[in-house]
Amino acid sequence: AQRVTQPEKLLSVFKGAPVELKCNYSYSGSPELFWYVQYSRQRLQLLLRHISRESIKGFTADLNKGETSFHLKKPFAQEEDSAMYYCAPCSGGAGGTSYGKLTFGQGTILTVHP
Amino acid sequence: DAMVIQNPRYQVTQFGKPVTLSCSQTLNHNVMYWYQQKSSQAPKLLFHYYDKDFNNEADTPDNFQSRRPNTSFCFLDIRSPGLGDAAMYLCATGRGRETQYFGPGTRLLVL
Repeated sequence: AQRVTQPEKLLSVFKGAPVELKCNYSYSGSPELFWYVQYSRQRLQLLLRHISRESIKGFTADLNKGETSFHLKKPFAQEEDSAMYYCAPCSGGAGGTSYGKLTFGQGTILTVHP
Repeated sequence: DAMVIQNPRYQVTQFGKPVTLSCSQTLNHNVMYWYQQKSSQAPKLLFHYYDKDFNNEADTPDNFQSRRPNTSFCFLDIRSPGLGDAAMYLCATGRGRETQYFGPGTRLLVL
């Protein structure tokens, strides 16, 4: 069965401190890996996609296939980073010919204190 | 500029009274998804349309149905809402494994 684990439900750091949000997954096949973010009173939106290897808002994520982990990192957290973060592997949909199924982790609420 | 629009943003219905939530998109994506998100929980996929093909998740109750009259619109019908169906309902669109774009959600309250 496909499973996504975000072990920290809540994470608090001070502004300027490094932050790491953990994600471990158990999947058959080779899922595409995403992080989605939901800021207060805003819609769920893409933060980072593994395949594009972009650094968005200073966040990066390294895929460790051996450990099946996709932890999200930022070296210096900002107050505006406070939000709910979801790790979401996507199965199916290879080649854009069908649909992709996202399975969301339980989410981590990040609070960055001034 | 809104690419995925959901109406209404808040919906109050009575126990057992059918309700319909709507979603529209301007992205011309061939896949439209419906998720249910209960308080403090992750979004859970209910079903999706790939073009006109409807695909139900195995654990989605029969009480939930969907219609997609054209590429731009998709509806979620709850035939007999129960108290346990109170949740945020999210619509999303996408192509294959590409990024999914979410609407703002409709919060359903069942009295």
